[in-house]
Amino acid sequence: EDQVTQSPEALRLQEGESSSLNCSYTVSGLRGLFWYRQDPGKGPEFLFTLYSAGEEKEKERLKATLTKKESFLHITAPKPEDSATYLCAVQARGNTPLVFGKGTRLSVIA
Amino acid sequence: GAGVSQTPSNKVTEKGKYVELRCDPISGHTALYWYRQSLGQGPEFLIYFQGTGAADDSGLPNDRFFAVRPEGSVSTLKIQRTERGDSAVYLCASSRGHTDTQYFGPGTRLTVL
Repeated sequence: EDQVTQSPEALRLQEGESSSLNCSYTVSGLRGLFWYRQDPGKGPEFLFTLYSAGEEKEKERLKATLTKKESFLHITAPKPEDSATYLCAVQARGNTPLVFGKGTRLSVIA
Repeated sequence: GAGVSQTPSNKVTEKGKYVELRCDPISGHTALYWYRQSLGQGPEFLIYFQGTGAADDSGLPNDRFFAVRPEGSVSTLKIQRTERGDSAVYLCASSRGHTDTQYFGPGTRLTVL
């Protein structure tokens, strides 16, 4: 069974304090690993897709990396507007649905 | 362009009632998905449509849940004899094809009293 575990459950940072969120996964043949951002009361907003170990993608203060067992979302010099829940999901090869983790709730304090 | 839209944004109903939740996908997206998200959890897959047909309904929890997409665009999730445990946010997503990025709507918050 495909599984995704995200840690920590919650993270509180001072503005400018860089950190990383972890997504550990087990999947029977990875097609893609996805990162989404979710603000309270809203639907998930797509950030990145990673397809193979060693791949990295960046967007503003965010960088996502992928190994064969886990993915990291690195946040550099975060700002209060980066506060949100960050969701990780995996999709196996074939017509399989996305499997999500429970998310990491990030709070960035000014 | 317009994103995925869902109506209503909030729905309050009584135990045992029937509800319909609507999803309008991004124009041109052939794949449409329904998820359910409980508080503090990630979205949980319910059903996936490719065009008009349900390609995978393995996530529907029981036969009280049913979804349709008669013209390959708008979809309706139908829940019969609602139970308090059905209370959650119901999310809809669409993608160009099944292997493409899924874009989510804002969700419908369902509360069963």
